[in-house]
Amino acid sequence: KAGVTQTPRYLIKTRGQQVTLSCSPISGHRSVSWYQQTPGQGLQFLFEYFSETQRNKGNFPGRFSGRQFSNSRSEMNVSTLELGDSALYLCASSSPTTFTDTQYFGPGTRLTVL
Amino acid sequence: GENVEQHPSTLSVQEGDSAVIKCTYSDSASNYFPWYKQELGKGPQLIIDIRSNVGEKKDQRIAVTLNKTAKHFSLHITETQPEDSAVYFCAALSNFGNEKLTFGTGTRLTIIP
Repeated sequence: KAGVTQTPRYLIKTRGQQVTLSCSPISGHRSVSWYQQTPGQGLQFLFEYFSETQRNKGNFPGRFSGRQFSNSRSEMNVSTLELGDSALYLCASSSPTTFTDTQYFGPGTRLTVL
Repeated sequence: GENVEQHPSTLSVQEGDSAVIKCTYSDSASNYFPWYKQELGKGPQLIIDIRSNVGEKKDQRIAVTLNKTAKHFSLHITETQPEDSAVYFCAALSNFGNEKLTFGTGTRLTIIP
């Protein structure tokens, strides 16, 4: 079974621009969560989508948004990029019943904001 | 909300020796505790997990113990090998309210050949 895939793997943007990252979950998984990983803050939860609906949200500003499509693929968008948004963005998929279960991570998208 | 503390931040052990990483959590409602291994340039990989109805779980050289009363859980790696060198993260998840993984700050494990 193929794992979680994320595209692109690397991105370089400048301040003020916006960016869209994509995540394809493991086949059959309907929940997709997004995390930001930085050396200073570690792994921080952004949001979780299940059946095209945002089910949980972390403490990030509204510049960070996401969506999920009917095939469970998910995208996250960051608008008006800031230098501090440079990070590894990870998505994880799981196959929950009534609550989030074991999460499997993709390789991440490395975003650099100049 | 949940807070997970992880110690130590770095750990060096001789090949063949054992390594132990410890985590504490704050939310007594947390009931799922996974451990992830992250190698350079890769996403975290689940290596073992434990649920709150179990006190210990073992998978070959890796074991996890959970003490719900004290709210701490530990990862034990025996007979360490060079390929065990990586950053290890513990996490906790509560199924009540905001269901998200809260991660520890990570432990960089180095196996000395």
